[in-house]
Amino acid sequence: NAGVTQTPKFQVLKTGQSMTLQCAQDMNHEYMSWYRQDPGMGLRLIHYSVGAGITDQGEVPNGYNVSRSTTEDFPLRLLSAAPSQTSVYFCASSFFGGPTDTQYFGPGTRLTVL
Amino acid sequence: AQTVTQSQPEMSVQEAETVTLSCTYDTSESDYYLFWYKQPPSRQMILVIRQEAYKQQNATENRFSVNFQKAAKSFSLKISDSQLGDAAMYFCAYRSPVNTGTASKLTFGTGTRLQVTL
Repeated sequence: NAGVTQTPKFQVLKTGQSMTLQCAQDMNHEYMSWYRQDPGMGLRLIHYSVGAGITDQGEVPNGYNVSRSTTEDFPLRLLSAAPSQTSVYFCASSFFGGPTDTQYFGPGTRLTVL
Repeated sequence: AQTVTQSQPEMSVQEAETVTLSCTYDTSESDYYLFWYKQPPSRQMILVIRQEAYKQQNATENRFSVNFQKAAKSFSLKISDSQLGDAAMYFCAYRSPVNTGTASKLTFGTGTRLQVTL
């Protein structure tokens, strides 16, 4: 049981490049989400999904795309990276709703856009 | 929309002493969940403790306990017998009731960095 895994751990991009941050969980959780963490601002929700085929926007969705074709995977796509997207990105998963829906976080991806 | 405020950017405590981290929140909902997460230098987000708003009893987990004041919308974390391993960023977070479509979304505060000294 690996929990929530994220790849890569570190990434450097040039402005305008595209890339996909990978997130996978093996706990059969319905709910998955992406957050970004910037200095002095805590974690902010980018996109989330309540099940395969269902996604929705969070607080800061601009510049990011997501899809959820399987329960296990929830990739985050940057189509044209910008310096403002330099951040640490966390993926999280949980059962949806209910008293036991503690969110489990992945180890994070540190992204730098030059 | 809900907001979470942590007014202490940094705190310091001596080993074996007790420290309290503050958190206030704003919401119009009557039922909700509150959390404290710990983020050590490894960057991993670790759940420390959770509190259901409908429960009057304050949650405790070993050396960690909360002081939940619903009317004041306050949710402080007390760490007793502080250890060097407690040094980390601590985030307070809010989650809406389970019967809403956004039930599992977390709203975070800006964090408090805790230093533990010898």
